[in-house]
Amino acid sequence: AQKVTQAQTEISVVEKEDVTLDCVYETRDTTYYLFWYKQPPSGELVFLIRRNSFDEQNEISGRYSWNFQKSTSSFNFTITASQVVDSAVYFCALSAASSGSARQLTFGSGTQLTVLP
Amino acid sequence: EAQVTQNPRYLITVTGKKLTVTCSQNMNHEYMSWYRQDPGLGLRQIYYSMNVEVTDKGDVPEGYKVSRKEKRNFPLILESPSPNQTSLYFCASSSVAASRQPQHFGDGTRLSIL
Repeated sequence: AQKVTQAQTEISVVEKEDVTLDCVYETRDTTYYLFWYKQPPSGELVFLIRRNSFDEQNEISGRYSWNFQKSTSSFNFTITASQVVDSAVYFCALSAASSGSARQLTFGSGTQLTVLP
Repeated sequence: EAQVTQNPRYLITVTGKKLTVTCSQNMNHEYMSWYRQDPGLGLRQIYYSMNVEVTDKGDVPEGYKVSRKEKRNFPLILESPSPNQTSLYFCASSSVAASRQPQHFGDGTRLSIL
């Protein structure tokens, strides 16, 4: 079985602060994929990033960066200089590549980020 | 434009009245799935389909049915809806199994069962 834990239910920051959203995962598979999605107040799900288990390089995209650490089974997401438009629910998700579980994208419970002006 | 289209977007109905939520994708994807989103629980998979006429249960299939007669369509059927099925539902599709591709999600259907 696979599991994703997002321990931070809600986070509030003031605009321009940096914020890190934590994601810890569990899987027995050696090959797996990790995802982050954003759900703004309008409700749609927006894909942000996919990482496979063999690529531990950190990634940066504008104000977004991701820190993947296999040793601690974590895939944390940092927003630098946060903006009000970053306010959303953020989901971390995991999918294992083995045939038995390849069908399933397992989501964490989400972190509600509120950026205050 | 590549998209997953769900209908209706909102529905309020009563217990026991059969309903169908449609899902259609225009990307020729083999893989489609349904999720429900509930507060504090994230998204949980209801059913998925690897291709036409191939469907299987996800984590929370009780009370739901699906069919996959055409590649582009994957309707979710609630034969006898109950209040505990009040939720936000998402349909998703991808070209291969979810492990390798980001899934394309519909905009969601908010169901209220009274």
